[in-house]
Amino acid sequence: QSALTQFASVSGSPGQSITISCTGTSSDVGSYNHVSWYQHHPGEVPKVMIYEVSKRPSGVSNRFSGSKSGNTASLTISGVQAEDEGDYYCCSYTTSNTYVFGSGTKVTVL
Amino acid sequence: QVQLVQSGAEVKKPGASVKVSCKASGYTFTNYHMHWVRQAPGQGLEWMGIINPRDGGTSFAQKFQGRVTMTRDTSTFTIYMELSSLRSEDTAVYYCTREESGTYYLQDWGPGTLVTVSS
Repeated sequence: QSALTQFASVSGSPGQSITISCTGTSSDVGSYNHVSWYQHHPGEVPKVMIYEVSKRPSGVSNRFSGSKSGNTASLTISGVQAEDEGDYYCCSYTTSNTYVFGSGTKVTVL
Repeated sequence: QVQLVQSGAEVKKPGASVKVSCKASGYTFTNYHMHWVRQAPGQGLEWMGIINPRDGGTSFAQKFQGRVTMTRDTSTFTIYMELSSLRSEDTAVYYCTREESGTYYLQDWGPGTLVTVSS
């Protein structure tokens, strides 16, 4: 099972919106809505930001939203802030009853 | 409150095995699956496998099949992950992370255990 494909980096100025994409296959992203997104700051543990494609856990800012079309899921950060800098990973359940992470995207706020 | 307490850092030689523990507290142990995820230096997150504490059932990433074992002790609310035939590429931080059964996302994470494989 290969990692889901994410662009290595994305950047934006404070207040802008940025979108991170996550491309899989019909065996993972395309088969289920079991796609989640994790924010990972260096030295900390990952934190779930989105689950089931578009649901936000309690306590996560509504500036974070998720969507999916076909084999590609997306995470959008609206009005990006300095605190949003970090690494972001998508994760999908697969038809093999396993999970697979994306390759990760480094978000930089200019 | 929910706590996932992992065992301490390990240094192992190539070819050896390592067993990392994750002691859970603050919730009903059998209602949450436990996953293991690792991150090698400079690399991304990598899913290794999952165990259902209720029945001990497991599923592993193909990459680790035959080399990883996950077990649980329901009397001490502890999950174990053992990785054998270690090589330098297994040097990583290993996280246990729980998923409320059937929700398909990783809700809480342990602090991580650094495993270093070096001759």
